Amino acid sequence: EVQLVESGGGLVQPGRSLRLSCAASGFTLDNYAMHWVRQAPGKGLEWVSGISWDSGRIGYADSVKGRFTISRDNANNSLHLQMNSLRLEDTAVYYCAKADGYIEAFDYWGQGTLVTVSS
Amino acid sequence: DIQMTQSPSTLSASVGDRVTITCRASQSISSWLAWYQQKPGKAPKLLIYKVSSLESGVPSRFSGSGAGTEFTLTISSLQPDDFGTYYCQQYNSWTFGQGTKVEVK
Repeated sequence: EVQLVESGGGLVQPGRSLRLSCAASGFTLDNYAMHWVRQAPGKGLEWVSGISWDSGRIGYADSVKGRFTISRDNANNSLHLQMNSLRLEDTAVYYCAKADGYIEAFDYWGQGTLVTVSS
Repeated sequence: DIQMTQSPSTLSASVGDRVTITCRASQSISSWLAWYQQKPGKAPKLLIYKVSSLESGVPSRFSGSGAGTEFTLTISSLQPDDFGTYYCQQYNSWTFGQGTKVEVK
């Protein structure tokens, strides 16, 4: 059974950093592209970042470019999102999601981890 | 950037109704269009990809159509489990629509 489990969320002050992780099981991570999607409280879905199976292609939303870094550790079946210079508007539930390819729909999602940026 | 616009934002319907949600792209997105369903407090679930391909395990009452910049999700006969929020997504650069909440009439 495919499972994605996010961790690392929490309460953080503006300007500080946080690192999210996504542990994958039930499939071999290195065959698939992976993405981060966030959802602010009461709002819609916003794509944050994506990475191809071999890390050869990486993309970021304009809202996080230069502040967030996506990475993956295929040997340990995990995905990461390093978030620096956090802002109040980064407050959201962050989901990791799996895709068959870099330009494909997201067929499995984790349950999400909440990041709250507040002073 | 490609913008995705869904209509309506909210839809009130009864069990058994035929429901249609529209998604418009600001430019042609070929066939890179997916639909997701989200229930409160849960992760989104993929329903349809490549405009009209039904994800495994998704009931056949869900269908997708369209081309270029205009796309449609149709639920042929709304069931109690279908209430929730629906999002379209173009996955050439991964933009989501703003969502359509399907609620009980």
